[in-house]
Amino acid sequence: NFMLTQPHSVSESPGKTVTISCTGSSGSIASNYVQWYQQRPGSAPTTVIYEDNQRPSGVPDRFSGSIDSSSNSASLTISGLKTEDEADYYCQSYDSSRGVFGGGTKLTVL
Amino acid sequence: EVQLVQSGAEVKKPGESLKISCKGSGYSFTSYWIGWVRQMPGKGLEWMGIIYPGDSDTRYSPSFQGQVTISADKSISTAYLQWSSLKASDTAMYYCARQKTGFDYWGQGTLVTVSS
Repeated sequence: NFMLTQPHSVSESPGKTVTISCTGSSGSIASNYVQWYQQRPGSAPTTVIYEDNQRPSGVPDRFSGSIDSSSNSASLTISGLKTEDEADYYCQSYDSSRGVFGGGTKLTVL
Repeated sequence: EVQLVQSGAEVKKPGESLKISCKGSGYSFTSYWIGWVRQMPGKGLEWMGIIYPGDSDTRYSPSFQGQVTISADKSISTAYLQWSSLKASDTAMYYCARQKTGFDYWGQGTLVTVSS
């Protein structure tokens, strides 16, 4: 079964840049689009990146996504960190038309 | 404005049946897949399955195949997630979401509590 692996947690200071990785277990992560979702405590998820590197309207350009085929991984980078960015972040892709989520990464901005 | 509005919280006993709903508005309901996502207390997101309301084509994650039923009524722009016999382990928040290439719009969630 295809799996996506994320670090359990990351932390960084306000104003800095953080990168969250999402590594595919098999095949090529570039074969299907990767999305990134933000979930603040007590709230529904929202989409911050779709189709590997596209930002929905309303998402600041501090958020960016990329794919690295050599490491079979996707990354979410958040620059100019703000305390409001503190949340859980999930990557998501597909395997045989069925969706797969990563386990989630808790971002602490301290 | 695209909106997905889910039905309210439910408290059920083990063995009971349940059907929760997700009503779409602000877009062509029959032109996008609708998916369901489970989040157990304190845990991550799990992809359950999706339905295309235009023709009711449905795909399930292997983990949820046979455990739940996803359906849709395009005449009222509403998708459903149902259980025939709930278990305590079905206690979770359930989200619906519209799928384009990934999920782009999400419902507010429906909390399902199963307890004797």
